Amino acid sequence: DAKTTQPTSMDCAEGRAANLPCNHSTISGNEYVYWYRQIHSQGPQYIIHGLKNNETNEMASLIITEDRKSSTLILPHATLRDTAVYYCIVRVALYGQNFVFGPGTRLSVLP
Amino acid sequence: DTEVTQTPKHLVMGMTNKKSLKCEQHMGHRAMYWYKQKAKKPPELMFVYSYEKLSINESVPSRFSPECPNSSLLNLHLHALQPEDSALYLCASSQRSPSSVSSGQPQHFGDGTRLSIL
Repeated sequence: DAKTTQPTSMDCAEGRAANLPCNHSTISGNEYVYWYRQIHSQGPQYIIHGLKNNETNEMASLIITEDRKSSTLILPHATLRDTAVYYCIVRVALYGQNFVFGPGTRLSVLP
Repeated sequence: DTEVTQTPKHLVMGMTNKKSLKCEQHMGHRAMYWYKQKAKKPPELMFVYSYEKLSINESVPSRFSPECPNSSLLNLHLHALQPEDSALYLCASSQRSPSSVSSGQPQHFGDGTRLSIL
């Protein structure tokens, strides 16, 4: 499995962009990068995923470096409801969709 | 709101009880998963079902018995659990089977069953 490294915690002011980094230097060419978040007492919520190109949806943007060794999840206008643990996951191609969750980043959005 | 429904939301049981956790999805997904999550830890995979057949068992003790009666339902039967089995049990589903190497489809999770063993 390609391993990921994320900061343990981050703070962000409400209304500002939250930029969450993830390092995945051993990623293989056919592995996707997925982002999930987990708000307290809920199940993980899918945010976005990508392979090579940058991606954007209604929740966030995913920026993947050209060498694919790192990525950044961007929440453009963070709200208090975005306070959660954010997981960056690189999917192991051999086992398909068997996600291995790391410790994640605890994002606190402050008023 | 999630598209994967888990019941019950909370369950308290003694070590000699037999109970079942239920998971249901109506998205037409053919892969379903059970994860276990201890407090302040990330989820850990337990079982994977692909087309109603068990494809992966991550060395889970036999006191946990999964069952997939049809493509929409996934059960986890519990018997003789230990206090250390207290955790949040999460169900997920995805559009492609685990054997599909090229799949990029994400998993969709339910909100889990919080299990406490007395």
